Amino acid sequence: QTVVTQESSFSVSPGGTVTLTCGLSSGSVSNGNYPNWYQQTPGQAPRTLIYNTNIRSSGVPDRFSGSILGNKAALTITGAQADDDSDYYCLLYINSGLWVFGGGTKLTVL
Amino acid sequence: QVQLQESGPGLVKPSETLSLTCTVSGGSITSYYWSWIRQPPGKGLELIGYVLYSGDTNYDPSLRSRVTMAVDTSKNQISLKLTAVTAADTAIYYCARWYCSGHTCYHLIHWGQGTLVTVSS
Repeated sequence: QTVVTQESSFSVSPGGTVTLTCGLSSGSVSNGNYPNWYQQTPGQAPRTLIYNTNIRSSGVPDRFSGSILGNKAALTITGAQADDDSDYYCLLYINSGLWVFGGGTKLTVL
Repeated sequence: QVQLQESGPGLVKPSETLSLTCTVSGGSITSYYWSWIRQPPGKGLELIGYVLYSGDTNYDPSLRSRVTMAVDTSKNQISLKLTAVTAADTAIYYCARWYCSGHTCYHLIHWGQGTLVTVSS
């Protein structure tokens, strides 16, 4: 069974830069996995930040960026703000129509 | 503006069937892929599967034996049925629409607000 891995938690100071990663239990993440990044705040449905590795969804601030770093997908927040304090999930296309979410990263801005 | 609204029983008994409906307003369900995603309280997201307006489906392997998704184009609704539920199926259930271009789907662009289903006797 394919497992998508994420850091369970991360912290960043206001104004700082943080990179969250998304990997595969077996193998490397590539553009062919069409990495998605979602942000979820308590009580709300997730919203797309990044799709297709590095495309920002409509209305997403440019302090959010996506990339492939080594063998993982990465979400970088440059100049973190207080309202970036959220849960972040990656979603990867695996194969044959199968998409799998990572376990999520709880980001604390303090 | 496309809006999705999940509905169904908030309480289901163990071993019974969970049935939910997602009603889409502000747009047609044809020509799109639709998914159900669930999130146990305090835990992460799980993509249950997707259904195309034509009725084609694809389910997560771990749930495939218990899941059925379908579309009703006359009502602009997508349905989810999950059989033989246990406490582990307690979760917020979301429906969502994919953004696709050609034959490639890229992300879940529209989400419902979610509905909590508790499995308990």
